[in-house]
Amino acid sequence: KQEVTQIPAALSVPEGENLVLNCSFTDSAIYNLQWFRQDPGKGLTSLLLIQSSQREQTSGRLNASLDKSSGRSTLYIAASQPGDSATYLCAVWEGAQKLVFGQGTRLTINP
Amino acid sequence: DGGITQSPKYLFRKEGQNVTLSCEQNLNHDAMYWYRQDPGQGLRLIYYSQIVNDFQKGDIAEGYSVSREKKESFPLTVTSAQKNPTAFYLCASSPRGVGLGTQYFGPGTRLLVL
Repeated sequence: KQEVTQIPAALSVPEGENLVLNCSFTDSAIYNLQWFRQDPGKGLTSLLLIQSSQREQTSGRLNASLDKSSGRSTLYIAASQPGDSATYLCAVWEGAQKLVFGQGTRLTINP
Repeated sequence: DGGITQSPKYLFRKEGQNVTLSCEQNLNHDAMYWYRQDPGQGLRLIYYSQIVNDFQKGDIAEGYSVSREKKESFPLTVTSAQKNPTAFYLCASSPRGVGLGTQYFGPGTRLLVL
């Protein structure tokens, strides 16, 4: 059974810093990996989708990488801003039918 | 505007009562999903449907029921058999060929027990 783990559970950094969020999964036979953002009390917003044949995806200040062989993905955020404060969730597609989520990393950017 | 709507935003359940959470999408997506989120936790899959009149249990289906009579609607009923229903419930949809595209999420319904 696929398990997804995100470390750390919470992270607090000063504004302007570059940072990395980590995601690991137990079964490397995944279809896609997706990173989401969730603001308090809100739904999820998709940030980046990495297909299984890809190694990374970029959108603005965000870059996500995927290493299937080691069961790891990272989300890199450049030049962090207070508006980046949110919970970031990693999820992998299991059997091409459903997403399995990690527990998330709660990120706080201090002005 | 295309998207997913969930109602109500807050829902209160009395002991022994069944309650139904609404999820509607106008994205013309075939697949729809229901997730439960507990504080500080990731999302856990309750039920999913890949096509009208068909649905499958997820990891925590006990105490829940669903129907998929229309493509755009996927209501979730929390039955009295669900002993710990207090949580944030999220509905999502994705295009046909699940696993090949992004899941889009609604704003969520928070269920509280009186």
